[in-house]
Amino acid sequence: DAGVIQSPRHEVTEMGQEVTLRCKPISGHDYLFWYRQTMMRGLELLIYFNNNVPIDDSGMPEDRFSAKMPNASFSTLKIQPSEPRDSAVYFCASSPSMGPQHFGDGTRLSIL
Amino acid sequence: AQSVTQLDSQVPVFEEAPVELRCNYSSSVSVYLFWYVQYPNQGLQLLLKYLSGSTLVKGINGFEAEFNKSQTSFHLRKPSVHISDTAEYFCAVSTTSGTYKYIFGTGTRLKVLA
Repeated sequence: DAGVIQSPRHEVTEMGQEVTLRCKPISGHDYLFWYRQTMMRGLELLIYFNNNVPIDDSGMPEDRFSAKMPNASFSTLKIQPSEPRDSAVYFCASSPSMGPQHFGDGTRLSIL
Repeated sequence: AQSVTQLDSQVPVFEEAPVELRCNYSSSVSVYLFWYVQYPNQGLQLLLKYLSGSTLVKGINGFEAEFNKSQTSFHLRKPSVHISDTAEYFCAVSTTSGTYKYIFGTGTRLKVLA
């Protein structure tokens, strides 16, 4: 059974560029979560979806961040324009209703 | 609101020794509790979960945890660690109803020494 798949695994780009992170959840999972992990702030929940609908985006840091889930098998997290302080590891996780979250291997983002 | 405290940021322990990683939580409602492990350059992997029932929960890789409601704790234990257990360990809590959001602790880095 395939796990949560994230792409790219690494992204290096210059400040001001648009960044798009992608996630394919586990088939059949109703919930999808986007997290950001940094040394300073630890693991932060940015936004989560239920049945493709955003439920809570209170963790999204700024309007520069946006997330979509056009269908049950795909989600994107976009940063536009990117800034050096956005450098972090971004994780996607999915879960069935009442089940534990399963994490992808993350995207390591570096903004120069 | 819920919160999770992992008091130990780092725990060094010798190989084959026992280890306990501490987790305390705060919540005004019933909770589910989880332990995750993160190896370098990887995502978080579920070690074990407490949803209901027996307060002693067994997980993968020989780990277990005990839910103590009166002390609001969910400490993780292993009787004999291996070098391969070196990793970051995260405790998480969610409510039993409503949202499925997890609140994660700040993590404990377990370093197993030869």
